[in-house]
Amino acid sequence: KAGVTQTPRYLIKTRGQQVTLSCSPISGHRSVSWYQQTPGQGLQFLFEYFSETQRNKGNFPGRFSGRQFSNSRSEMNVSTLELGDSALYLCASSLIGTQYFGPGTRLLVL
Amino acid sequence: GENVEQHPSTLSVQEGDSAVIKCTYSDSASNYFPWYKQELGKGPQLIIDIRSNVGEKKDQRIAVTLNKTAKHFSLHITETQPEDSAVYFCAVAPGYSTLTFGKGTMLLVSP
Repeated sequence: KAGVTQTPRYLIKTRGQQVTLSCSPISGHRSVSWYQQTPGQGLQFLFEYFSETQRNKGNFPGRFSGRQFSNSRSEMNVSTLELGDSALYLCASSLIGTQYFGPGTRLLVL
Repeated sequence: GENVEQHPSTLSVQEGDSAVIKCTYSDSASNYFPWYKQELGKGPQLIIDIRSNVGEKKDQRIAVTLNKTAKHFSLHITETQPEDSAVYFCAVAPGYSTLTFGKGTMLLVSP
């Protein structure tokens, strides 16, 4: 079974721009969670979607948003990018709790 | 909210030695405890997990022990190999909800 896929793998943006990241979960998985990973803060939870509804949200500003489609694919969007948004953005899918991570999207904000 | 402390932050061992990484957590409602291994340029990979109704779980060279009373759990890797070198993260969650991660342990296994 194919794993979690994320696109793009690498991205360079400038401050003030916006970005959209995509995640395709493992087939049959309906829950998708997003995490931000930085050297200083480690892995931090952004939000979780289940059946197209946001089920949980972490402590991030409103510039970070997401959505899930009927096929369980998910996107996250970051508007008005700041230098501090540079990070590895990880998506994880789950069926009944156990979360499986994708390879991540490396975002660099200049 | 939940707070997870992970120690040590770095661990160097010789090939064949055992490695132990420990985590403590604060929320007594947490009952799911996975461990992830992250290699350079990759996403975290689940290596073993345990639920609160079990005190110990083993999978070949990897084992996890849980002490719910003391709110700590540990990862044990025996007969370490160079390919075990990576960053290891513990995590906790209440039920099957949001994971809260430790800061990670960089394990280096020298041949």
